[in-house]
Amino acid sequence: QKEVEQNSGPLSVPEGAIASLNCTYSDRGSQSFFWYRQYSGKSPELIMFIYSNGDKEDGRFTAQLNKASQYVSLLIRDSQPSDSATYLCAVSDNFNKFYFGSGTKLNVKP
Amino acid sequence: DGGITQSPKYLFRKEGQNVTLSCEQNLNHDAMYWYRQDPGQGLRLIYYSQIVNDFQKGDIAEGYSVSREKKESFPLTVTSAQKNPTAFYLCASREDRANEQFFGPGTRLTVL
Repeated sequence: QKEVEQNSGPLSVPEGAIASLNCTYSDRGSQSFFWYRQYSGKSPELIMFIYSNGDKEDGRFTAQLNKASQYVSLLIRDSQPSDSATYLCAVSDNFNKFYFGSGTKLNVKP
Repeated sequence: DGGITQSPKYLFRKEGQNVTLSCEQNLNHDAMYWYRQDPGQGLRLIYYSQIVNDFQKGDIAEGYSVSREKKESFPLTVTSAQKNPTAFYLCASREDRANEQFFGPGTRLTVL
């Protein structure tokens, strides 16, 4: 069974701070890595994906990948109350299957 | 508007009944997926299909069945053999040669 591990949280940060979300995965063959945001009662929405080691930035979001350590993270700069949600990490081996972590709940306090 | 639709939004089932959840997409995506999400947990793969008339079991296929007769449709049947079917069911699709999945709004199934 391919495992994707996330701290369930909740992670609480003040408005304007940087939120750091972490994810580890067990399968060294994983090639693609995704972060989804899920509001309570809603379906996941894709925030970012990353394929190569290093950082990838998109607006206030930065994904970081370290394949040697089997670790992927998401940084949210200038956190807003609207960022309060559960963040799901997902990995894929490029064989059409995706494996999801259980998610980290983020609370951004005004 | 292009997108993925699921119906119904809420579904109530009596024990022993089979129910079918609808998933339709007009994105012209080749691959489609069904996931189950339980409270406080991640998504678990039930079935997936990469092409019409072909589908594969995921990690928790027991008690479920699917069909893929048309590219845009991938219905999921929850049978009476599924012992604990109360959950949030999510359908997703993916374009060929792309890795990103996009999700429908979900169906919340409750067994009474």
